[in-house]
Amino acid sequence: ETGVTQTPRHLVMGMTNKKSLKCEQHLGHNAMYWYKQSAKKPLELMFVYNFKEQTENNSVPSRFSPECPNSSHLFLHLHTLQPEDSALYLCASSQATTGVSYEQYFGPGTRLTVT
Amino acid sequence: AQSVAQPEDQVNVAEGNPLTVKCTYSVSGNPYLFWYVQYPNRGLQFLLKYITGDNLVKGSYGFEAEFNKSQTSFHLKKPSALVSDSALYFCAVRDDSNYQLIWGAGTKLIIKP
Repeated sequence: ETGVTQTPRHLVMGMTNKKSLKCEQHLGHNAMYWYKQSAKKPLELMFVYNFKEQTENNSVPSRFSPECPNSSHLFLHLHTLQPEDSALYLCASSQATTGVSYEQYFGPGTRLTVT
Repeated sequence: AQSVAQPEDQVNVAEGNPLTVKCTYSVSGNPYLFWYVQYPNRGLQFLLKYITGDNLVKGSYGFEAEFNKSQTSFHLKKPSALVSDSALYFCAVRDDSNYQLIWGAGTKLIIKP
């Protein structure tokens, strides 16, 4: 499989559930990102990992917990979510995060609904 | 503060006509600018970027963008629109403080046959 893949594509969870989103990139990149996309709003950067180290955490609530075991895999662990967390969660990767601006490659996203 | 604005929520164009999707930016240093496209039920795809050099940047699928420093704009253009160009288009600028992207809210482009 090529590019950036995300599983599951759709997820419905109750506010007391615990679930995880998975992202895998097959591009040999060193940086990975989690974004939240809500309708008619700019993409919200959540977390950035560069060479498995977290370099950005944009004041994301602790109910979202990222994990990056290696440069190819990224997880977003979810627990005790709120209905306003319902959104499309996008994973992206790029060659690096600093220096020359590298374009980001996105996965198809996970559509999350919190009930 | 650094920012990106896409002033139009939606742009409607007839097939075969030229199209323009607008983007303006505000940064403290030299701008690094990007355009991405999102088709339904898909992630974002990179179209083109401006780093330096020629003000007219060519990208994927026949799109191009014109960088205008005096107007702080980076409008996306295509000479002849296709129905398949219908999608959501995002402009982004690199944040000089952390090298991350600052995104516009997106413009929905509708191409009518």
